[in-house]
Amino acid sequence: AQKVTQAQTEISVVEKEDVTLDCVYETRDTTYYLFWYKQPPSGELVFLIRRNSFDEQNEISGRYSWNFQKSTSSFNFTITASQVVDSAVYFCALTPWNTGFQKLVFGTGTRLLVSP
Amino acid sequence: DAGVIQSPRHEVTEMGQEVTLRCKPISGHDYLFWYRQTMMRGLELLIYFNNNVPIDDSGMPEDRFSAKMPNASFSTLKIQPSEPRDSAVYFCASRQGLPYEQYFGPGTRLTVT
Repeated sequence: AQKVTQAQTEISVVEKEDVTLDCVYETRDTTYYLFWYKQPPSGELVFLIRRNSFDEQNEISGRYSWNFQKSTSSFNFTITASQVVDSAVYFCALTPWNTGFQKLVFGTGTRLLVSP
Repeated sequence: DAGVIQSPRHEVTEMGQEVTLRCKPISGHDYLFWYRQTMMRGLELLIYFNNNVPIDDSGMPEDRFSAKMPNASFSTLKIQPSEPRDSAVYFCASRQGLPYEQYFGPGTRLTVT
C-alpha cells in the first residue's frame, strides 16, 4: 500500500524564520515520484516540485529547498526566511510505479501560518 | 498558455437538484482528473481520463455522480440528485504524459442546502 504522512497539522512562525515541513512516505515500489503542492487561502493547488526516486540530490529554488532521503523515506520541504505570502496548506504527494504513475496519493497537508 | 479552467467557481443549490461542473484542461494535456476536497476526507480522486477515455472511476462515490469527456478540451462532472453531503470543493486537474505533475484548476465550491 502507498501512504503519505504529514505529521505536522499546523505550524506557526514569525516572518523571517526558517521552517521545515515534514513528509514521510510508504511504498514497496523502488520507482516512484514525489511532489509538493501549495494551496494558498485562495484555494487553488499550485505545483512546486517533482522528484523521482533515483534522484536524491537536494534541490533549491530561491527560498525553497527540498531534502529527499530514501533511507528514511522522507521528502522534507524547507522555507528559508519565511514570508507572510508563504502562508498556505502544503501537500506532499506520491505516485508509485505499481499504479502506472497514474494516481497521486496525497498527504493530509500541513497548514503554515506566517505572521508579520 | 492558460491554466486549467473550471466553471462555475461557486455553486449553491438545493438538495435534489442536478449540478454540472465544467472543466477545460490545458491544451495538449492527455490526462484529466476530477478530485473532491473536504475537511474530513482531504483530497479524493474521483475519476480520471486518458485521451478522453475514462480509465478509473473507482473513486466516484455513488451512481449519483457521473463524468464525461466528449473531447480533449472539455469535461463535465454531474451530480444528480445532489445531497448536502456532496458539499465540497471539486477540482479538475490535467497532465501531459507520465509521470508528470498534475496542474489543478481553481476549483468549484459546491454547497448543497
